[in-house]
Amino acid sequence: DADVTQTPRNRITKTGKRIMLECSQTKGHDRMYWYRQDPGLGLQLIYYSFDVKDINKGEISDGYSVSRQAQAKFSLSLESAIPNQTALYFCATSALTNGEQFFGPGTRLTVL
Amino acid sequence: SQQGEEDPQALSIQEGENATMNCSYKTSINNLQWYRQNSGRGLVHLILIRSNEREKHSGRLRVTLDTSKKSSSLLITASRAADTASYFCATVSSGGGADGLTFGKGTHLIIQP
Repeated sequence: DADVTQTPRNRITKTGKRIMLECSQTKGHDRMYWYRQDPGLGLQLIYYSFDVKDINKGEISDGYSVSRQAQAKFSLSLESAIPNQTALYFCATSALTNGEQFFGPGTRLTVL
Repeated sequence: SQQGEEDPQALSIQEGENATMNCSYKTSINNLQWYRQNSGRGLVHLILIRSNEREKHSGRLRVTLDTSKKSSSLLITASRAADTASYFCATVSSGGGADGLTFGKGTHLIIQP
């Protein structure tokens, strides 16, 4: 079974719709991250969380919000989706500060 | 912003040959990590090298780090078709501030059978 899971795996939505991407992990890690990847580029950090009471903005947080419902769950929301948010979204976890990260399989989001 | 820049952007070699990818970065780092991504899938961690280390090995992988030049290289020896993927370097800054990795744009490696 996968340690880091993401739902949905693919989503097509329309401009202005609210959408939530969910991430769950069974690794017992405190640190969780959301990244987006645009074609031909590396990943960019959206938000990260050290524990359920701690949420931090990354380099591209505008237009996104997150919720850490439990140690194992970290959700990313787009309140009003726009076409330039079309991208591949990855959740990741880590046990240590500055340590290796474990990535989920990604969610491919298309905003029409 | 992208911290790292991989070079080359794309590399095609014959199976059995060695593949070398380079990464340059801009700020002081705590460590540098290499990840592999198969097409459209999640990233898989390959190796982590700390700022006080100069070389590290893992199986067919060899990573070097030159902090004076702010650069790293990843060598894959005796390449296999299964090594076809995109390879990313990612840095962790030493100056505190935001957690998380800062990625380069990646090198797309194709191994010809």
